[in-house]
Amino acid sequence: EDQVTQSPEALRLQEGESSSLNCSYTVSGLRGLFWYRQDPGKGPEFLFTLYSAGEEKEKERLKATLTKKESFLHITAPKPEDSATYLCAVHPPGNNNDMRFGAGTRLTVKP
Amino acid sequence: DAGITQSPRYKITETGRQVTLMCHQTWSHSYMFWYRQDLGHGLRLIYYSAAADITDKGEVPDGYVVSRSKTENFPLTLESATRSQTSVYFCASSKQGTLQPQHFGDGTRLSIL
Repeated sequence: EDQVTQSPEALRLQEGESSSLNCSYTVSGLRGLFWYRQDPGKGPEFLFTLYSAGEEKEKERLKATLTKKESFLHITAPKPEDSATYLCAVHPPGNNNDMRFGAGTRLTVKP
Repeated sequence: DAGITQSPRYKITETGRQVTLMCHQTWSHSYMFWYRQDLGHGLRLIYYSAAADITDKGEVPDGYVVSRSKTENFPLTLESATRSQTSVYFCASSKQGTLQPQHFGDGTRLSIL
């Protein structure tokens, strides 16, 4: 069965302390990998889509990278407003629209 | 206001009752989705719709019914609610399927007693 695993489950950082979140997957023939940000009591908000190994996308302090087995979300010099749960999702091969989401990494950035 | 709206935001009901969760989007997106989010699990797809009158099952469809008579609305019905259906439900839409970003509503927190 296709699996998406995110680690760590929770991460506490000091403001300015850079780190990375991991998303590993067992889907073969991946068509796309997505990163979303979710604030408490809100729906997920789209961040990035990655389509092929070696691809990278950046937005402010966030940078997403993709290999054949995993994706990383690098957070450089985080600020308290970056605190949220970060979700990754994979699009399986073919025309199947059943996206598979990981359980998320809850990031807390302390001032 | 443009966007995707879910109602109600909170709902408490009893086992065996029928409950309908509403979802409305103003973008005229073709695709709409229903997910449930439970602690320790990722979002799991219940049903999706590629266009009006076209729906298909996702990963966890049992106990749920959907319809889509108009492009902008995609209601989710629990015909006979069970405690295992206590969850937070999210509706989403996208222009053209899941290879494009999905835009999510703020969810409905449903408790079944």
